[in-house]
Amino acid sequence: ETGVTQSPTHLIKTRGQQVTLRCSSQSGHNTVSWYQQALGQGPQFIFQYYREEENGRGNFPPRFSGLQFPNYSSELNVNALELDDSALYLCASSFLAQGSEQFFGPGTRLTVL
Amino acid sequence: GENVEQHPSTLSVQEGDSAVIKCTYSDSASNYFPWYKQELGKRPQLIIDIRSNVGEKKDQRIAVTLNKTAKHFSLHITETQPEDSAVYFCAASINNDMRFGAGTRLTVKP
Repeated sequence: ETGVTQSPTHLIKTRGQQVTLRCSSQSGHNTVSWYQQALGQGPQFIFQYYREEENGRGNFPPRFSGLQFPNYSSELNVNALELDDSALYLCASSFLAQGSEQFFGPGTRLTVL
Repeated sequence: GENVEQHPSTLSVQEGDSAVIKCTYSDSASNYFPWYKQELGKRPQLIIDIRSNVGEKKDQRIAVTLNKTAKHFSLHITETQPEDSAVYFCAASINNDMRFGAGTRLTVKP
């Protein structure tokens, strides 16, 4: 298993609420990428954080936002939750921002009712 | 943006046979191509990767080939075992943006 951890494991929210998911990167890694994985699909790139700044973003609306802290851990925030936000949210840490191995955490299963 | 297509979506093989999964990508600037294995309820695990300056890479029973001209890459698993059963994802990366294929569910029948 990788050294990447995520919390919480599972979360149930209702439409319109806000949620914060957390990720601790593997020791020695300075980059965290976030992905949304809907059931039966591949992970979809949300954004990446490198040295505490957003370093690239996929096709997700602004209500998906994030942070990276000096210890390289990261948060994903989602505002105004919609039913379609129900998914497994994965973070992945890497040593470099580009073209390096990404190691995934176990994910947070978010259910929006 | 980059678009990655993966085939087949499901693959069933007999134990000991080989399995091949193919992916195509759209952006010739993609320069890093990892493959992940995801078992039910678990995180994706990197099994092998290849960079654009290499045409082939092998690690025991697993190999990956890359054809930059045709913009496709493939995963080859030889001497398959029941524990190889999982969903496999290919991905293509440009800079910090990694795009995944839709996955292949591989079943290895004993």
